Amino acid sequence: AQSVTQPDIHITVSEGASLELRCNYSYGATPYLFWYVQSPGQGLQLLLKYFSGDTLVQGIKGFEAEFKRSQSSFNLRKPSVHWSDAAEYFCAVGAGGYNKLIFGAGTRLAVHP
Amino acid sequence: DVKVTQSSRYLVKRTGEKVFLECVQDMDHENMFWYRQDPGLGLRLIYFSYDVKMKEKGDIPEGYSVSREKKERFSLILESASTNQTSMYLCASSTIAGDTQYFGPGTRLTVL
Repeated sequence: AQSVTQPDIHITVSEGASLELRCNYSYGATPYLFWYVQSPGQGLQLLLKYFSGDTLVQGIKGFEAEFKRSQSSFNLRKPSVHWSDAAEYFCAVGAGGYNKLIFGAGTRLAVHP
Repeated sequence: DVKVTQSSRYLVKRTGEKVFLECVQDMDHENMFWYRQDPGLGLRLIYFSYDVKMKEKGDIPEGYSVSREKKERFSLILESASTNQTSMYLCASSTIAGDTQYFGPGTRLTVL
């Protein structure tokens, strides 16, 4: 069965530090992969997506993610975190017709000044 | 700008009540989705619809039903609310190609 694992429930970084959020997926075919962000009290906003092609994907707000098929991973990175990046981040895999999404449990990011 | 709206941000209901959660999108999207979000579980798909009057069960449909009478509107119905349905409910929509889902702000439902 398809699944998404985000191993880190909470991460705290200092403002200006680099960030990597981990995501591992289980899916039989070539996956469609997504990262969404949810700011407090808000709905989810798409950060970036991977369907095919270049395995390094650029997104909004300075985020990028790298698809590694051999590791079944799609980790999210940002070179320098801003206080406004504090939010919950969800990795998701597209699981078949009509692009049903399967989400990970989320990683909550806190940013220290 | 893309817009998905949900009828209420916060809702408090009593056990056994019938509850309607409404979602409207203004993007002429074919697909609409209802998710439930719980801490430590992420988002789980309740139902989705790929056309007017068409619906399919998601991963956790028990205790819920849906209605889509118009393309822009997708309603989630709790026939008899229970305390274990206390949660955040998120609506989303996408085109038929489905490459990006757009989410509403969510409705936080408390069932007492």
